[in-house]
Amino acid sequence: EADIYQTPRYLVIGTGKKITLECSQTMGHDKMYWYQQDPGMELHLIHYSYGVNSTEKGDLSSESTVSRIRTEHFPLTLESARPSHTSQYLCASSKQGWTEAFFGQGTRLTVV
Amino acid sequence: GEDVEQSLFLSVREGDSSVINCTYTDSSSTYLYWYKQEPGAGLQLLTYIFSNMDMKQDQRLTVLLNKKDKHLSLRIADTQTGDSAIYFCAESRSTGANNLFFGTGTRLTVIP
Repeated sequence: EADIYQTPRYLVIGTGKKITLECSQTMGHDKMYWYQQDPGMELHLIHYSYGVNSTEKGDLSSESTVSRIRTEHFPLTLESARPSHTSQYLCASSKQGWTEAFFGQGTRLTVV
Repeated sequence: GEDVEQSLFLSVREGDSSVINCTYTDSSSTYLYWYKQEPGAGLQLLTYIFSNMDMKQDQRLTVLLNKKDKHLSLRIADTQTGDSAIYFCAESRSTGANNLFFGTGTRLTVIP
């Protein structure tokens, strides 16, 4: 059982609101990732981190930002939510390579 | 995702074998993975294969890799209703190693 948690699981929010999606892992993994999963099911990397104070943008441009102040915590923030941000957001962490990666259950965000 | 392709849907009868196919285009792939996503859940790593292997078996799962044709398949023997889910093929590459490149996912439906 993976020890990586995302909250909330579901969120419906109005346009213009600021939101933070939480992701925490208790495995001591240095690498953490955020993926966006669009309605057609494809996943795209939007942010990743090598460790504390490290944040990098992924392949898919995103208006969201991330921070990594603690090893176990990798929150994603949208300063002003828009309907185009409606998607599922999946957080993952790994110790080394992807053969040891775990995914959270995801946050399904709907912006109305 | 555009470099990793899967058919979108597959239906099989309970007890039959399921074969889910995937093609990829990047010859620098190091590992190839199969993930399972059940409704409302995150991604679960099912199995993976190193790019210099051509087959890997793990209980009911058999992975076949044809590196020449860049074709990967996942065979599930004695498919059960609990196998109904979306299955993602993914690859990690020697370049851009911080990203997993996902296919679009194949929705497997097992008919009782």
